Amino acid sequence: EIVLTQSPGTLSLSPGQSATLSCRASQRVSSSFLAWYQQKAGQAPRLLISGASSRATGIPDRFSGSGSGTDFTLTISRLEPEDFAVYYCQQYAKSITFGGGTKVE
Amino acid sequence: QITLRESGPSLVKPTQTLTLTCTFSGFSLTTTGAGVAWVRQPPGKALEWLAFIHWDDDKGFSPSLESRLTITKDTAKNQVVLTMTNMDPVDTATYYCVHAWSFYYESSGYHSWFDPWGPGTLVTVSS
Repeated sequence: EIVLTQSPGTLSLSPGQSATLSCRASQRVSSSFLAWYQQKAGQAPRLLISGASSRATGIPDRFSGSGSGTDFTLTISRLEPEDFAVYYCQQYAKSITFGGGTKVE
Repeated sequence: QITLRESGPSLVKPTQTLTLTCTFSGFSLTTTGAGVAWVRQPPGKALEWLAFIHWDDDKGFSPSLESRLTITKDTAKNQVVLTMTNMDPVDTATYYCVHAWSFYYESSGYHSWFDPWGPGTLVTVSS
């Protein structure tokens, strides 16, 4: 099983700042089969990024994904008030697993 | 527009079998490549993938839960049903039905990510 470790667990920032979230895999994630989701309190998750760097429909361009192999990053530039949430990465290269999440507060 | 909605009991007793139904619209499970999956989230914890089913009846299960899970589809009703046997209090969670987008390779099968998600249904396991 590919284990995904997200860091930091919590990121304390202010609106207008940038956020850098890390997702490290225990094995190589082939073909960059990695997605990122945003979950606000009391809501279902929402897809942000698939294929490590492709933004989903309707996702603002302040969200960007990068990385390959075992190290992946979600960057949120110029945080807006609605961006404060929990973010999860998911790999779909070998079976499917999620990371433990990073809370941006 | 793709929408999904989960339905089922909100409370089950330990050792009972849970049956959840996902009713969807905006796509068909007779369309090449289409898929539906289930993901759960215990209160305050992370997401956990459970199972998926694709248009060709290809199925996949979480290795840690495979022995307890069954997934089926009813293409006429646009529904997918998940059953989980021998429920335990640790299975208390919000259960989400999700639309799966996939790449398929002969050598490795389906590779799926999820969008959109249903609103989720909270299932509590307690006597």
